[in-house]
Amino acid sequence: RKEVEQDPGPFNVPEGATVAFNCTYSNSASQSFFWYRQDCRKEPKLLMSVYSSGNEDGRFTAQLNRASQYISLLIRDSKLSDSATYLCVPSGTDKLIFGTGTRLQVFP
Amino acid sequence: DTGVSQNPRHKITKRGQNVTFRCDPISEHNRLYWYRQTLGQGPEFLTYFQNEAQLEKSRLLSDRFSAERPKGSFSTLEIQRTEQGDSAMYLCASSPRGTVMHEQYFGPGTRLTVT
Repeated sequence: RKEVEQDPGPFNVPEGATVAFNCTYSNSASQSFFWYRQDCRKEPKLLMSVYSSGNEDGRFTAQLNRASQYISLLIRDSKLSDSATYLCVPSGTDKLIFGTGTRLQVFP
Repeated sequence: DTGVSQNPRHKITKRGQNVTFRCDPISEHNRLYWYRQTLGQGPEFLTYFQNEAQLEKSRLLSDRFSAERPKGSFSTLEIQRTEQGDSAMYLCASSPRGTVMHEQYFGPGTRLTVT
């Protein structure tokens, strides 16, 4: 089983839509979880940190289910500027473990 | 700008040449990480430092790769005898030390093209 599994997408959604991404991880010892967004040919930028069961920041909500080892990211009222790749990142012992990410394309 | 910086931003080299990249982390962060990213993949961990100590190296880091952080501040990543398969984006990130893994902040990366 891969350490991190995400649907690569692309998810094509209209502006204003709500979209959700799921991510499963294999390391049950992971304590910290992060969502990063990455624009084409740019570095990953931290979007949200999740240390407990979830986190909410404006239009973005992350939820963590430790028993099932999955994390979700919900984006409400999608904007054109949300178009990017979203990386689910559980922590390892001393490093972050990146999946391939889920690509989101928001269209007018 | 107090973020992570990397130099150069782009490097084109011929196969067999040596290249060196530099990373300057956020000043109060004592952990520094190197990742490599190829098209369509997420970043892959290469190595990390806590202060000047290199604490872990990935199996991806062949003996042609060496990283240093001599004074616990900036770091260099050197690739000797470059191969075409080394073409990738090399990302540096830093984070503060803590009891749990903290967020990592990435620099803009160095894009290496080996011809």
